[in-house]
Amino acid sequence: AQKVTQAQTEISVVEKEDVTLDCVYETRDTTYYLFWYKQPPSGELVFLIRRNSFDEQNEISGRYSWNFQKSTSSFNFTITASQVVDSAVYFCALGESQGGSEKLVFGKGMKLTVNP
Amino acid sequence: DSGVTQTPKHLITATGQRVTLRCSPRSGDLSVYWYQQSLDQGLQFLIQYYNGEERAKGNILERFSAQQFPDLHSELNLSSLELGDSALYFCASSVGSGGASTDTQYFGPGTRLTVL
Repeated sequence: AQKVTQAQTEISVVEKEDVTLDCVYETRDTTYYLFWYKQPPSGELVFLIRRNSFDEQNEISGRYSWNFQKSTSSFNFTITASQVVDSAVYFCALGESQGGSEKLVFGKGMKLTVNP
Repeated sequence: DSGVTQTPKHLITATGQRVTLRCSPRSGDLSVYWYQQSLDQGLQFLIQYYNGEERAKGNILERFSAQQFPDLHSELNLSSLELGDSALYFCASSVGSGGASTDTQYFGPGTRLTVL
């Protein structure tokens, strides 16, 4: 069965600190997709990144970077030089395409608070 | 702004009542998904429609039903409401690949349902 584990439930940092959000997933499929979403205090879910299981290249987008390691079933997210606006709940999600369903299985989320 | 719209934003009702949540997907997207976010269950997939047809069902109660109309908007009907149905209900849409892959899902702002 699919499962996503975000072991950290809450992290608090001071502005400009780097922070890494861990995500470990379980799946029996060879083809799958991984996602990160951000949920700011306003409540909407904002898409950050999508990765397929065949692409293990790390990705950097501004202050955000992602490290995908199939060997450890992890897809970790790092925010460099954190800012107050990064305060949000971050969700890691796993998608499979078996049986025509494209549903996402979400982790429980990790609440990040960045203090000035 | 993801391009996915949901109405209403907030809904307060009483136990035993029935409500309808509405979602309009992004232009060109064929797949619509419904998710429920509650404190105890986290983000849970309810149901997916693809081009008017039900594609997958998740943890959706029998009291809940959904449909996707020819113009691709979707409605989620919740009946015989209980206190435990209070949650944030998200709609998401994606291009929809017919199950060949898991496309990026873009989420609407959500409908916050409070059952008193």
